[in-house]
Amino acid sequence: DQQVKQNSPSLSVQEGRISILNCDYTNSMFDYFLWYKKYPAEGPTFLISISSIKDKNEDGRFTVFLNKSAKHLSLHIVPSQPGDSAVYFCAASVWGGSEKLVFGKGTKLTVNP
Amino acid sequence: DAMVIQNPRYQVTQFGKPVTLSCSQTLNHNVMYWYQQKSSQAPKLLFHYYDKDFNNEADTPDNFQSRRPNTSFCFLDIRSPGLGDAAMYLCATSGGGEQYFGPGTRLTVT
Repeated sequence: DQQVKQNSPSLSVQEGRISILNCDYTNSMFDYFLWYKKYPAEGPTFLISISSIKDKNEDGRFTVFLNKSAKHLSLHIVPSQPGDSAVYFCAASVWGGSEKLVFGKGTKLTVNP
Repeated sequence: DAMVIQNPRYQVTQFGKPVTLSCSQTLNHNVMYWYQQKSSQAPKLLFHYYDKDFNNEADTPDNFQSRRPNTSFCFLDIRSPGLGDAAMYLCATSGGGEQYFGPGTRLTVT
């Protein structure tokens, strides 16, 4: 019973274009959402987060959008760079903080030069 | 640099032979977590400590135990590893915001 779903296992994008990674959740109690990025042989690193009181959060090339009614969030990376190639995990928390995170299975992003 | 350190990075153990994975942190965070991640799966929370307060997930097998002797260190003990316990084990910490992960320990069970 997956509470956080990333339905695309992989995504391939050309350098300079936009990458859009999607995430759906089923638990309406989730109120804090995070994106993590993972390179091979490294642990996940925090990328960006959004609280349920917002519908958008932006940090440089990275923007996260939250649609609570659809229980959907997305991560936009623009412009995409080859160094962005990694596995991206969506995570959700019941609290306002991240004491317990529920992760999706991840989407492997490949940015081609 | 403040960080989360996991040792060893790769661990091979025999079926049924107890194994301990270690995690240390220099972030002085009060919460420490252990996750299990199998290939192409989501990281799955096994348990976490809030200071010395241990919180076990309901579906974590009894085969998995943890110790946190002080703020900096946390251990994952697998009492009798089975072939199905082969996975990446991730340690993470949190001071109330996002979680910081270590590089993980890849466990192989032969």
